[in-house]
Amino acid sequence: DSGVTQTPKHLITATGQRVTLRCSPRSGDLSVYWYQQSLDQGLQFLIQYYNGEERAKGNILERFSAQQFPDLHSELNLSSLELGDSALYFCASSVSGTNNEQFFGPGTRLTVL
Amino acid sequence: AQSVTQLDSHVSVSEGTPVLLRCNYSSSYSPSLFWYVQHPNKGLQLLLKYTSAATLVKGINGFEAEFKKSETSFHLTKPSAHMSDAAEYFCVVSGGGAGNNRKLIWGLGTSLAVNP
Repeated sequence: DSGVTQTPKHLITATGQRVTLRCSPRSGDLSVYWYQQSLDQGLQFLIQYYNGEERAKGNILERFSAQQFPDLHSELNLSSLELGDSALYFCASSVSGTNNEQFFGPGTRLTVL
Repeated sequence: AQSVTQLDSHVSVSEGTPVLLRCNYSSSYSPSLFWYVQHPNKGLQLLLKYTSAATLVKGINGFEAEFKKSETSFHLTKPSAHMSDAAEYFCVVSGGGAGNNRKLIWGLGTSLAVNP
């Protein structure tokens, strides 16, 4: 158990809908990262937050957004969902920045029908 | 620009034989380098990391990697493969930017199969 929790574990929804994925980092970790993993694209870094502020952006679509709250938990919002958004979404946390080990949550499996 | 290339998408070895997973990187900065492992239907876990200390880095489960600046490589090795090593392995470089702004660049992964 990495200490990073993600909810929900599974999510099934329809095209055009909006969903919110939630991540709680390990106690004491200030950085949160979001990743998307699909069979055709592999593991893609989406976005990083550090102590409530956006720090780095990867291949995140404009339909997606994220935030980190004062208690350091983070949410990833996916809107206008398409079939191609079906994937495993991982959250990771680290003590501070990207030179530190990232601890990964178990992931949220999103299925868009 | 920073980049990382995992030279093999699939590697197959027999149990008890050595494992070599190859990774080349490109970075304008002194890089930090990581190897992560993902077992089937599980999350990712750090195997080892290099952050400008000893060039030979030892990780968990008997894996190690050597940072070779002249070859811009960070290959992952293990002397003797075990069935439980079958997994996806990712090489990661901490790329450009300063301090906590450094981006992580992930390789596409190498799938390791271990045959009995």
